[in-house]
Amino acid sequence: KAGVTQTPRYLIKTRGQQVTLSCSPISGHRSVSWYQQTPGQGLQFLFEYFSETQRNKGNFPGRFSGRQFSNSRSEMNVSTLELGDSALYLCASSSEGQGMPGNTIYFGEGSWLTVV
Amino acid sequence: GNSVTQMEGPVTLSEEAFLTINCTYTATGYPSLFWYVQYPGEGLQLLLKATKADDKGSNKGFEATYRKETTSFHLEKGSVQVSDSAVYFCALAMNYGGSQGNLIFGKGTKLSVKP
Repeated sequence: KAGVTQTPRYLIKTRGQQVTLSCSPISGHRSVSWYQQTPGQGLQFLFEYFSETQRNKGNFPGRFSGRQFSNSRSEMNVSTLELGDSALYLCASSSEGQGMPGNTIYFGEGSWLTVV
Repeated sequence: GNSVTQMEGPVTLSEEAFLTINCTYTATGYPSLFWYVQYPGEGLQLLLKATKADDKGSNKGFEATYRKETTSFHLEKGSVQVSDSAVYFCALAMNYGGSQGNLIFGKGTKLSVKP
């Protein structure tokens, strides 16, 4: 069974540009969530999508957005990139979403974004 | 708000040494608790979990017990190996009437095991 797949793995963008990251969840999983990992702030929750609807959102500015398609694949977009957006962006999937106590959430290997 | 505090690293141990990584939490309700591990260049992997007080999670020789009275979920292993070298994250997720919220992570503890 294939794991959570994220593309691209590495990318470099210029300040002010926008970026789109893609995530394919484990087959059959309907929930996809996104996390940002930085040395300073650690791991922080961005948002969760379940059956194409955003179900939960973290405390990030509106420049960060996402969507989920009917096949459960998800994309996140960051517009007007800032230097502080440089981070590892992790996608995670689960079968029932983050909605079941103790539900196992599976993470991808992440997309490394560097903003210069 | 809800939060997780774990011991600062890095932690350096010799092979076969005993490992403890402390984790305490602050939560307004009754969370599920998790330990995740991140190997160099990889994403997060669930190591173990516990969903209610006094539950013990265990996997690959690692253990952690959900202690409600001390709001703790300390990770232990009796004999570490070089292959255990990684960053370990303690996390919680709140439960709302049968529904679970997003993961809230600690800062992570880097473990290095020397042969």
